[in-house]
Amino acid sequence: SQKIEQNSEALNIQEGKTATLTCNYTNYSPAYLQWYRQDPGRGPVFLLLIRENEKEKRKERLKVTFDTTLKQSLFHITASQPADSATYLCALTGGGNKLTFGTGTQLKVEL
Amino acid sequence: DSGVTQTPKHLITATGQRVTLRCSPRSGDLSVYWYQQSLDQGLQFLIQYYNGEERAKGNILERFSAQQFPDLHSELNLSSLELGDSALYFCASSGQGTNYGYTFGSGTRLTVV
Repeated sequence: SQKIEQNSEALNIQEGKTATLTCNYTNYSPAYLQWYRQDPGRGPVFLLLIRENEKEKRKERLKVTFDTTLKQSLFHITASQPADSATYLCALTGGGNKLTFGTGTQLKVEL
Repeated sequence: DSGVTQTPKHLITATGQRVTLRCSPRSGDLSVYWYQQSLDQGLQFLIQYYNGEERAKGNILERFSAQQFPDLHSELNLSSLELGDSALYFCASSGQGTNYGYTFGSGTRLTVV
């Protein structure tokens, strides 16, 4: 069956460090993968999209890598700040334009 | 403001009742998606509409139905409500092509008592 796995344990890091979140998937052949941020009680907010033929994509302090051989994406936040604390979701299309989301990883950036 | 408007923000209703959730997509977006998010389940895809037509269906219960109107707004109807239907219901919209992600609304929090 298709699965999208993200670390369910919260990730606690110190301000200024780089946070790295992992997304692994099975039985998907996605043309692209997306990352979203979700704050409690709010809707997810789109951050980045990376295509299968792209190895890496950057946007300000964010970097995403996509390894279709390993079936894995890594999401990095450099120089992390307390305001980066949120749940981060990865999402894939299994066909058509429908996005399936992972359960997310909660990030806590401490002073 | 994301540009996707969902009403109402909160809804409390009794078991067995029927409710309608409304969504107005971002201007210019033709696709509307509905998701359910409960504490133990994460974001679950329910249904997608594109320019008035149903495009994809997820694990949507038979008690639930949706439609998209000519002005592109969408409604999600939930009937014979059960306690387990209590959740956050999100609507999202997207434009044509795959360059951008979905834009989500702020959700409707449904509590069934």
